[in-house]
Amino acid sequence: SQQGEEDPQALSIQEGENATMNCSYKTSINNLQWYRQNSGRGLVHLILIRSNEREKHSGRLRVTLDTSKKSSSLLITASRAADTASYFCATDGQGGSEKLVFGKGTKLTVNP
Amino acid sequence: SAVISQKPSRDICQRGTSLTIQCQVDSQVTMMFWYRQQPGQSLTLIATANQGSEATYESGFVIDKFPISRPNLTFSTLTVSNMSPEDSSIYLCSVERAGRDIQYFGAGTRLSVL
Repeated sequence: SQQGEEDPQALSIQEGENATMNCSYKTSINNLQWYRQNSGRGLVHLILIRSNEREKHSGRLRVTLDTSKKSSSLLITASRAADTASYFCATDGQGGSEKLVFGKGTKLTVNP
Repeated sequence: SAVISQKPSRDICQRGTSLTIQCQVDSQVTMMFWYRQQPGQSLTLIATANQGSEATYESGFVIDKFPISRPNLTFSTLTVSNMSPEDSSIYLCSVERAGRDIQYFGAGTRLSVL
């Protein structure tokens, strides 16, 4: 399986601090994505990074990808209470498959 | 992006009954998917809903238990059949436009089986 593994499983920080979540995967990928899920609701797409990219930014989000280590990190800067959610990485496979394989997720709590 | 309406948002069902979940998209999409998320777990793909043909099921999921329909490019249903407490999960539909890689999710259906 190429399921991603996030760590930590849970992270609790204070508002204003930065939050870093990591994801590892097992096989070659075309791209890696990060999604957010609020309290058992639907997932919201945050950012996609392709296998030939090393870093990508979107607002307070910064994603890195190291294909040699098969790992990615998601950094949320200046966190807010509204960032409290579960964060999942998802990978697709080479060969044109549209199927995504989701990691186990990191539950982030931002305390006001 | 895509706006997805998923119904019902939650239900409590008796063992042995079936529940049909609907997923409606605001525009035509190529790919539609159904996922299961067991309590405290990640998402597991159940199947890809194919328009006009049988769904493509992932290992561990069978059509008799999770029949799926997709009569057109904007609508799909997932039925959870002969339910048991182990089927208590959140069920999510998602869509993806051809070549875009990003999936958009419905709000999910929280199912509890007693």
